[in-house]
Amino acid sequence: SYELTQPPSVSVSPGQTARITCSRDALPKQYGYWYQQKPGQAPVLVIYKDSERPSGIPERFSGSSSGTTVTLTISGVQAEDEADYYCQSADSSGNYLFGGGTKLTVL
Amino acid sequence: EVQLVQSGAEVKKPGESLKISCKGSGYSFTNYWIAWVRQMPGKGLEWMGIISPGDSDTRYSPSFQGQVTISADKSISTAYLQWSSLKASDTAMYYCARLNWSFDYWGQGTLVTVSS
Repeated sequence: SYELTQPPSVSVSPGQTARITCSRDALPKQYGYWYQQKPGQAPVLVIYKDSERPSGIPERFSGSSSGTTVTLTISGVQAEDEADYYCQSADSSGNYLFGGGTKLTVL
Repeated sequence: EVQLVQSGAEVKKPGESLKISCKGSGYSFTNYWIAWVRQMPGKGLEWMGIISPGDSDTRYSPSFQGQVTISADKSISTAYLQWSSLKASDTAMYYCARLNWSFDYWGQGTLVTVSS
């Protein structure tokens, strides 16, 4: 079955760059999306269609795609970026799925 | 302003039925599919299914097919998620979200607790 694989955790110091990867099965390629979820809150969309940023999301959040991997990059990480991050995509049957989530810790 | 407002927390016993709701406002409710997403305690997000409020076309994740029913009433801009017989393992936070390529707007979540 189609799966999205994320690292369970990523740790960075304030001001550094955090990169969170999401590996997906091969073709057909679907867009990747990223959501931020802070404790006790609903998820928030931070990247759509691999690399587009919704209005209101800080410029330090960016996304990229290469082959079967999509990556969320947070440049100049701030303490407020500490959260769980989930990638999301779809399979060829129209089923939506999420990665297992990555806990970003700001040291 | 787009908003999805969900019904309040529920505490139920195993075997009971339940229907939770998600009311959309600030946009044309029938123009976007609505998704339901489960988050079990301390776990990740799981897509359950989607519904087109305009014609009630519904699609379920294979993991949830037959376990829940998704419906909508376009006259009151509300989508529903229901169970006919709850299990303890249904204890989770349930979110609705608007589908616009991505899940671009989310409800605040409804916590469902199933315990004897």
